[in-house]
Amino acid sequence: GAVVSQHPSRVICKSGTSVKIECRSLDFQATTMFWYRQFPKKSLMLMATSNEGSKATYEQGVEKDKFLINHASLTLSTLTVTSAHPEDSSFYICSAREGTGALETQYFGPGTRLLVL
Amino acid sequence: DAKTTQPTSMDCAEGRAANLPCNHSTISGNEYVYWYRQIHSQGPQYIIHGLKNNETNEMASLIITEDRKSSTLILPHATLRDTAVYYCIVRVFHDYKLSFGAGTTVTVRA
Repeated sequence: GAVVSQHPSRVICKSGTSVKIECRSLDFQATTMFWYRQFPKKSLMLMATSNEGSKATYEQGVEKDKFLINHASLTLSTLTVTSAHPEDSSFYICSAREGTGALETQYFGPGTRLLVL
Repeated sequence: DAKTTQPTSMDCAEGRAANLPCNHSTISGNEYVYWYRQIHSQGPQYIIHGLKNNETNEMASLIITEDRKSSTLILPHATLRDTAVYYCIVRVFHDYKLSFGAGTTVTVRA
């Protein structure tokens, strides 16, 4: 299957600082990428849909000014958690859409574990 | 999107086939059934998907009932590395989003 990478794999930051997470599709181009968040022992929750060259679409309840998404190329989307607080500590996972029609599939990155102190 | 119902957990014996059920009784004609799994502390891994025909790949087989109201994921020879949370997801053809439920926690035992 297609490969999606994330960087960094884990990050610890101080409260009030900003953190950028990168998501890359390594062997395919992705016009659409997705960002999810997962709290311990919970399922994945979609945060936003990232479209190359246009503004991201955020799910209800997700603050777009706090979670900045940029999808500047067909292989890279970034999520910036601005003014991070301890409650933002979570496992952030991206996915990238590959293929079309009946063959369309989302492939996920390995995730980024964020700890805000 | 149609909702899915999966058992909370199940145990499987190593080397035996693991059959994971999923109910999606409100599925409509343009909705696909996708299966993903998530091994602890990793991102989800795509397994297989289908519309109405049975599908097989190197990882698993997907059996969809004729009325499409349920499906079964079959891992032919479970190994300890197959221990994971397995998610059955129904996705509308034109909507790219995936909605994850609680999934089934599968534990493969030696």
